[in-house]
Amino acid sequence: DAKTTQPNSMESNEEEPVHLPCNHSTISGTDYIHWYRQLPSQGPEYVIHGLTSNVNNRMASLAIAEDRKSSTLILHRATLRDAAVYYCILRDDTGNQFYFGTGTSLTVIP
Amino acid sequence: EPEVTQTPSHQVTQMGQEVILRCVPISNHLYFYWYRQILGQKVEFLVSFYNNEISEKSEIFDDQFSVERPDGSNFTLKIRSTKLEDSAMYFCASSETLLKSYEQYFGPGTRLTVT
Repeated sequence: DAKTTQPNSMESNEEEPVHLPCNHSTISGTDYIHWYRQLPSQGPEYVIHGLTSNVNNRMASLAIAEDRKSSTLILHRATLRDAAVYYCILRDDTGNQFYFGTGTSLTVIP
Repeated sequence: EPEVTQTPSHQVTQMGQEVILRCVPISNHLYFYWYRQILGQKVEFLVSFYNNEISEKSEIFDDQFSVERPDGSNFTLKIRSTKLEDSAMYFCASSETLLKSYEQYFGPGTRLTVT
């Protein structure tokens, strides 16, 4: 599985934007970039995914670097409910499971 | 919005006992998965299942584990003789396809405590 690197933790003030970075320098041309999050005591929850172009949905935006070696998950206005561990995961052709790393633990400060 | 459900939410069992964890995947999904997460550790893949067969399994999924789709809606994980180290959250997931452009939907988990 291709590896990703994320900061262990980040903090944000409530109602401010949050940019969660992910490095994936060994990404191959056909790997998809997926983001999941895990709220306390819950199962992982799909957030967004993309291949090359930036993506927007109701939860977040995904900005993908032109060389695809990094990406950023953007929460436009952090709420207390967004406090979670955020996982950046590369989906390749080697299997059908998701490989979860340690993710970024996001703390939202009221 | 359709969701994956799991029962029970918490299961306590004694070492050596058999447990069955149950999941109801999203109804039009064809691919099913089990993951586990030991307290404070990463989410780890156990097994994937399609067309009544295991399609992939990890090293964790040894002979003590088995999966089954006993009817058109349930997907189960059985641990034949539980050990203390089986204590963990177990998450079921399902997806429409195996394509890497598709997401997996996870259930809320079953907390298994082996005493």
